[in-house]
Amino acid sequence: SAVISQKPSRDICQRGTSLTIQCQVDSQVTMMFWYRQQPGQSLTLIATANQGSEATYESGFVIDKFPISRPNLTFSTLTVSNMSPEDSSIYLCSVGGYGEQYFGPGTRLTVT
Amino acid sequence: GIQVEQSPPDLILQEGANSTLRCNFSDSVNNLQWFHQNPWGQLINLFYIPSGTKQNGRLSATTVATERYSLLYISSSQTTDSGVYFCAGPSSGTYKYIFGTGTRLKVLA
Repeated sequence: SAVISQKPSRDICQRGTSLTIQCQVDSQVTMMFWYRQQPGQSLTLIATANQGSEATYESGFVIDKFPISRPNLTFSTLTVSNMSPEDSSIYLCSVGGYGEQYFGPGTRLTVT
Repeated sequence: GIQVEQSPPDLILQEGANSTLRCNFSDSVNNLQWFHQNPWGQLINLFYIPSGTKQNGRLSATTVATERYSLLYISSSQTTDSGVYFCAGPSSGTYKYIFGTGTRLKVLA
């Protein structure tokens, strides 16, 4: 299993600003993933963050809005840029490849 | 892409009751997991169950991969079982987990 931490756990931000979310894993992993969960909805994959290469974004998500960094095998960041109230969601990182996936505790973002 | 449907969407139980949650996939999946999201938003791994049956205390799960469905059984439900239950899995040949629509469970004391 993997132990994953995220910072911050929650934040309230003003529209037009940006927030960077950090994800730290207690072991080296090849693939890390970022998900968004809008209020009352299921989880949607934003992108796959691979160390040493550009992140791979899912349909409907773009790098300019959600830039991702993956500087090493235990850490990744997701930035939510130029925020609007529609970005209010829980953002979760996860690790796992073709096997079991593990999730961080999430970052609850509210944009006012 | 793969579609994952869960039923029922909402469920209200009295404490002590049993329930069965269902997860249907539109295509074959390599793996399948069940998660419980507690009221604070944390996603907790319940079962990693690509096929067969597993049990953990009051919970058990069965996946019939050939028929593209999985079931989660909750027995003697408790108020702490409240929350949202998700199933998820990657479509065949990929590693990207697709989440179901979820079942929102409320257990009344």
